[in-house]
Amino acid sequence: DTGVSQDPRHKITKRGQNVTFRCDPISEHNRLYWYRQTLGQGPEFLTYFQNEAQLEKSRLLSDRFSAERPKGSFSTLEIQRTEQGDSAMYLCASSPLGTGVLYGYTFGSGTRLTVV
Amino acid sequence: DAKTTQPTSMDCAEGRAANLPCNHSTISGNEYVYWYRQIHSQGPQYIIHGLKNNETNEMASLIITEDRKSSTLILPHATLRDTAVYYCIVRLTSGTYKYIFGTGTRLKVLA
Repeated sequence: DTGVSQDPRHKITKRGQNVTFRCDPISEHNRLYWYRQTLGQGPEFLTYFQNEAQLEKSRLLSDRFSAERPKGSFSTLEIQRTEQGDSAMYLCASSPLGTGVLYGYTFGSGTRLTVV
Repeated sequence: DAKTTQPTSMDCAEGRAANLPCNHSTISGNEYVYWYRQIHSQGPQYIIHGLKNNETNEMASLIITEDRKSSTLILPHATLRDTAVYYCIVRLTSGTYKYIFGTGTRLKVLA
């Protein structure tokens, strides 16, 4: 297992279009997280899955955003009707189940979205 | 989650120890201190974490003050590849497992 994979690495889209990103976590990791990062800022939490259950969503996750993790494996993050303010790096991370505080996350390299 | 305060930027000479401070004066007894770093255009990388005691691993050492209100990440022999943004985060031991990142410290290792 080579870590957390995200696809695509880069996405340029026109305003108003829908985009979908994919994240493949480390196979034995039950927890999966999505973060968003804009230039010069630290990552901001978007949502968290434990297996297939979405247990927490940030207020940043407007109704244009939806995340899924069918079967508790890979996850997708979809943004509908993209806006220029959605331009950011979208990061996925995973961690093992168990005592969560004992483990750090493993992040993927992210998907950089540019909305033109 | 408690907020953390870090210097915006620091420089360190290659081969010397880099000491990155973090203030977390409002930390509660059930919050851990975590450190991550982010090299340009990559996702953050976990470095180390601790609760009360000092911790060391192959990457770094973490020194937490006795009152737990501040900590220092030490990279013992900094290399050019350690140039990155370093984030100090505190997180509860239960409940949500999310991190609240600040803007971190931009460390530049100079040749």
